[in-house]
Amino acid sequence: DSGVTQTPKHLITATGQRVTLRCSPRSGDLSVYWYQQSLDQGLQFLIQYYNGEERAKGNILERFSAQQFPDLHSELNLSSLELGDSALYFCASSVLTSGSLSYNEQFFGPGTRLTVL
Amino acid sequence: AQSVTQPDIHITVSEGASLELRCNYSYGATPYLFWYVQSPGQGLQLLLKYFSGDTLVQGIKGFEAEFKRSQSSFNLRKPSVHWSDAAEYFCAVYAGNMLTFGGGTRLMVKP
Repeated sequence: DSGVTQTPKHLITATGQRVTLRCSPRSGDLSVYWYQQSLDQGLQFLIQYYNGEERAKGNILERFSAQQFPDLHSELNLSSLELGDSALYFCASSVLTSGSLSYNEQFFGPGTRLTVL
Repeated sequence: AQSVTQPDIHITVSEGASLELRCNYSYGATPYLFWYVQSPGQGLQLLLKYFSGDTLVQGIKGFEAEFKRSQSSFNLRKPSVHWSDAAEYFCAVYAGNMLTFGGGTRLMVKP
């Protein structure tokens, strides 16, 4: 158990809908990262938040957005869902980040499996 | 931009046999390199990491990896595979505040 929790575990919805995925980081971790794992795209970084502010952006679609709240939990919002958004969405957390040359180990949650029908 | 290639999508080995999973990376500077393992229905667990120094790094569960700058490789090895090692393995490079993962190698273990 990494200490990172994600809810829900599974989510089934229809095209065009909007969903929210939730992540609670490990106690004391200030950074949250979101990743998408799909069959065609593999495992790719979406976005990072550090202490409530966006820190880095990867291949995140404009239909997707995220935020990190004062209690440090994070939500990933996916809207106008398409079949191709079906994937496993992972959240990870780390203690902090202090620049691109520094690294703090990321601990991954179990993921939320999203199925778009 | 950085990239990671894992040439083998599937590998099958017999229990007790040795294992080597290949990883090649592309990055302009000295990379931070990682191997993660994902068991079915689980998140990613860090096996080992390389930042600098000794090019042979030891990880958990008896795994080790060797960084070879001249070959841009970071191959994962284990001398004797156990049935519980069956999982998917991901190599990753850290740069620009993000982890970039390879496509993964699925390991199957024959009894």
